[in-house]
Amino acid sequence: EVQLVESGGGLVQPGGSLRLSCSASGFTFSDHCMDWVRQAPGKGLEWVGRSRNKADRYTTEYAAAVKDRFTISRDDSKNSLNLQMNSLKTEDTAVYYCTRLGRNSFTDNWGQGTLVTVSS
Amino acid sequence: DIQMTQSPSSVSASVGDRVTITCRASQGIRNDLAWFQQRPGKAPRSLIYAASSLQSGVPSKFSGSGSGTDFTLTISNLQPEDFGTYYCQQLKSYPLTFGGGTKVEIK
Repeated sequence: EVQLVESGGGLVQPGGSLRLSCSASGFTFSDHCMDWVRQAPGKGLEWVGRSRNKADRYTTEYAAAVKDRFTISRDDSKNSLNLQMNSLKTEDTAVYYCTRLGRNSFTDNWGQGTLVTVSS
Repeated sequence: DIQMTQSPSSVSASVGDRVTITCRASQGIRNDLAWFQQRPGKAPRSLIYAASSLQSGVPSKFSGSGSGTDFTLTISNLQPEDFGTYYCQQLKSYPLTFGGGTKVEIK
């Protein structure tokens, strides 16, 4: 069974940093591209970024709203996906989901999410 | 960026009804479209990929169609567990974008 478990969320002040992790199990993590998606309170879904797999040279993509502030990384030896968030803004407050892309390149599994609150 | 517009934004329906949700892309996206369901307080769930293919484990009461700019999600024989918010997402080009969501409520 595919499992994605996010951790690392919490309260942080504007301008601060936070690192989220996603622990993956039940599948060969190194074979899959992974996305981060967020959802602000009471709002819709927003794509944050992508981590491609080794076959795609571990390249990344980012939404404009987070580019140059957020960094996605992965550790295939630990089946872990990470999201380093710097220079956080109040508008980054959201539940952050880790998602897996299937071999058809579409999202097929979601984690339960972790809440990040940026507030003074 | 490709804008995704869903309609209606909300729909009220009864158990047993059939509901159709529309998603329109601001430019052609071939069939690079996915649909997700989100029940209140829960993480989203993947329903459909490539516009019309069911994800593993998703019942056939869900169906998707469309290509290019216009897409639909149809839910047949609506049951209590089907109520929630549905989102479309385009994967044609970056940044990937979602529709604003359609809330399916109990009448």
